[in-house]
Amino acid sequence: GAVVSQHPSRVICKSGTSVKIECRSLDFQATTMFWYRQFPKQSLMLMATSNEGSKATYEQGVEKDKFLINHASLTLSTLTVTSAHPEDSSFYICSARVSSYNEQFFGPGTRLTVL
Amino acid sequence: KQEVTQIPAALSVPEGENLVLNCSFTDSAIYNLQWFRQDPGKGLTSLLLIQSSQREQTSGRLNASLDKSSGRSTLYIAASQPGDSATYLCAVAADRGSTLGRLYFGRGTQLTVWP
Repeated sequence: GAVVSQHPSRVICKSGTSVKIECRSLDFQATTMFWYRQFPKQSLMLMATSNEGSKATYEQGVEKDKFLINHASLTLSTLTVTSAHPEDSSFYICSARVSSYNEQFFGPGTRLTVL
Repeated sequence: KQEVTQIPAALSVPEGENLVLNCSFTDSAIYNLQWFRQDPGKGLTSLLLIQSSQREQTSGRLNASLDKSSGRSTLYIAASQPGDSATYLCAVAADRGSTLGRLYFGRGTQLTVWP
């Protein structure tokens, strides 16, 4: 149990295009989902926290108009990188949990490369 | 703000050695501490989760200890194998207010076990 999937696993796009990444909790209902970004040889940096049916809370320095997050259901959150640029190339990982006191379960990550 | 530090940043050992990876955190108000494994280009695999009221957890050749008051945790790997080669991440979950359950990650220890 407690499986989180991400799609796609890898995406290459041209500069200026938008990319959508999906995060799904497959066997539980996630009231909260998190989006992280990881640059090479760096740790995971939290980008935003999303609660089902509410607006996402973004970390300082993360542009909410560039990284659009939609948590429309208890099993799905999406991250859209709008007008992507090469500096947005990174490894994006989502996680999901049932409640504040529950463990977060992580997805396998999405490798984004912007040319 | 919680800060998590992992030492050493990298470790290279011959097969069969017993290893200790260290993690320290600045704010002792944590809900739990978790150790993860990350293979290159992959997501996170949870290894051990220690609740704040616990002192240690064991799984197979892995043993993690927690000293909450001093802000330290160690991950002990017994009889290391080449398959243990990966990056090991330590993360603590916040225990208060609006950040309840939020994870703070260290930069990781990159482990290489050679035959």
